[in-house]
Amino acid sequence: SQKIEQNSEALNIQEGKTATLTCNYTNYSPAYLQWYRQDPGRGPVFLLLIRENEKEKRKERLKVTFDTTLKQSLFHITASQPADSATYLCALDDYKLSFGAGTTVTVRA
Amino acid sequence: GAVVSQHPSWVICKSGTSVKIECRSLDFQATTMFWYRQFPKQSLMLMATSNEGSKATYEQGVEKDKFLINHASLTLSTLTVTSAHPEDSSFYICSARANQVRETNYGYTFGSGTRLTVV
Repeated sequence: SQKIEQNSEALNIQEGKTATLTCNYTNYSPAYLQWYRQDPGRGPVFLLLIRENEKEKRKERLKVTFDTTLKQSLFHITASQPADSATYLCALDDYKLSFGAGTTVTVRA
Repeated sequence: GAVVSQHPSWVICKSGTSVKIECRSLDFQATTMFWYRQFPKQSLMLMATSNEGSKATYEQGVEKDKFLINHASLTLSTLTVTSAHPEDSSFYICSARANQVRETNYGYTFGSGTRLTVV
């Protein structure tokens, strides 16, 4: 089965800076890789999906990259705001989702 | 957008009793729904895949007789935790995908979760 690692458990950054989160996996590359946001006591909310043949995808202040050679995805939050504070989950989509443990981002005002 | 409604949001039950959690897709039909469990500070672990009109597919290590899943319609799946014990206390979350065609830019929609506490 896939082992999915997200770089750090917690990331603290200053408002306005860019947060960069890493997701590494061990086995085969999935057709899709997704990123979700989860707030405490809530279910995950879908943010971005990137296909194996795509290198980069953007949505507003969010950017995700997917390198199937490195078996890695990077997730960037640019011009971060305190409202971006949450746990971000990486998920491999192989007709069902397998999640990483998540990285909790705290943006200081 | 696609909305998944999950009820109840929290429940406290006595050890040995059963608890049912409902998951409804409000504005789309979900042929497949998924049930997850999440312990504090841990990731979501897939428990089972629920297919409308057929038996659920359980992940390895998940007791199918303890976690009963029913997907009787295209908009409703239920998870029943039978003979609950304190170790079953967890955050249970359901999800569904609105568009069954995978060539989309949309991910899965999740319910808001159910916090189960067994005392």
